[in-house]
Amino acid sequence: AQSVSQHNHHVILSEAASLELGCNYSYGGTVNLFWYVQYPGQHLQLLLKYFSGDPLVKGIKGFEAEFIKSKFSFNLRKPSVQWSDTAEYFCAVISMEYGNKLVFGAGTILRVKS
Amino acid sequence: KAGVTQTPRYLIKTRGQQVTLSCSPISGHRSVSWYQQTPGQGLQFLFEYFSETQRNKGNFPGRFSGRQFSNSRSEMNVSTLELGDSALYLCASSLGLAGHYEQYFGPGTRLTVT
Repeated sequence: AQSVSQHNHHVILSEAASLELGCNYSYGGTVNLFWYVQYPGQHLQLLLKYFSGDPLVKGIKGFEAEFIKSKFSFNLRKPSVQWSDTAEYFCAVISMEYGNKLVFGAGTILRVKS
Repeated sequence: KAGVTQTPRYLIKTRGQQVTLSCSPISGHRSVSWYQQTPGQGLQFLFEYFSETQRNKGNFPGRFSGRQFSNSRSEMNVSTLELGDSALYLCASSLGLAGHYEQYFGPGTRLTVT
């Protein structure tokens, strides 16, 4: 079955540290890719998405992600995290060839120490 | 504009009962998707409705059903509740089919089955 893997379930960083959260998927073919974030007490919201074009996409709050098709990866990055980035981050993938259903990874809980 | 609303926010039911959850999408959005979120399984896709038609369905038993009305509001029904159905049920709306448009999530309905 198609799956989305997020490598780290918990990440703890100090403010100003760089962040990279891994996301790998098992689909072949054409995919649309998303990163969602859930801040404490808030709804899930979209950070960024990739449909086509430049594989380096920029999202809100200084986040970016790079789509590497050969590695089936869509890693999320931020050069310098802030305490307010403390949240749970979800990678999600959809493929028309595999039923057009959005599949989420298990999520990564990021805690940023001030 | 108003976000996605879900009612009720909290619900306690007994095993064997049935439950109906409601979702009102953002005005103008025609697609509504439902997800189940649990600590063990994460976010799992239930189904998606677009223009009153179910477009996609996840791997859940037939006890889980839904519908969408002409005003795009959607309901989800779970019959013969089991303890394992205890979860946060999230609704998300989008302009078009999920995976091709940004989804906006509601706050969820927390269902506890005793």
